[in-house]
Amino acid sequence: DQQVKQNSPSLSVQEGRISILNCDYTNSMFDYFLWYKKYPAEGPTFLISISSIKDKNEDGRFTVFLNKSAKHLSLHIVPSQPGDSAVYFCAARPGGYGGATNKLIFGTGTLLAVQP
Amino acid sequence: GAVVSQHPSWVICKSGTSVKIECRSLDFQATTMFWYRQFPKQSLMLMATSNEGSKATYEQGVEKDKFLINHASLTLSTLTVTSAHPEDSSFYICSALKQGMGEQYFGPGTRLTVT
Repeated sequence: DQQVKQNSPSLSVQEGRISILNCDYTNSMFDYFLWYKKYPAEGPTFLISISSIKDKNEDGRFTVFLNKSAKHLSLHIVPSQPGDSAVYFCAARPGGYGGATNKLIFGTGTLLAVQP
Repeated sequence: GAVVSQHPSWVICKSGTSVKIECRSLDFQATTMFWYRQFPKQSLMLMATSNEGSKATYEQGVEKDKFLINHASLTLSTLTVTSAHPEDSSFYICSALKQGMGEQYFGPGTRLTVT
């Protein structure tokens, strides 16, 4: 049972344009969501997170949107840069910001390729 | 900062032998560390949660006698794959929880190949 789903295995975007990565979840107990970036043979790097009490969080070129009713979140990268090319994982857990010891459930990842 | 290291970064071992992987939080204390494995083109799957000074909590389907976890200090957790078999070949990643922070910080991973 895949509780966190990223239905697009890959995405190709031109440099300077917007990249939109999508993620859906099924467990209504999840109330804290994170995005990680991962290069091959490396560990994931934390990008941005959002609590269920918000519907948007922004950090520089990265913005995460949360639609609780649809159980959907998305990561927007604008403008996209070639260095953004990597696999992006969304992850979810219960317990809010303070529930960091709770199990983190990862999606299957989306490979983003930003073309120069 | 919040830097997590793993050692070794890659290891090749023969079937039947044991391999130990270290996970260290370099600039912070971590009361909780996590161990994941990732198969090619798949997601990260949590294997176990490691708490300093206590027994690890294993996820369903993970053999605790095969994957021995020790978290003896606030900066070090080890994963020992005992009697390794080719199907244990995978990318093993640890993460550490920095007190007061809501995010896990991941190590660079260890590629294990069992021949």
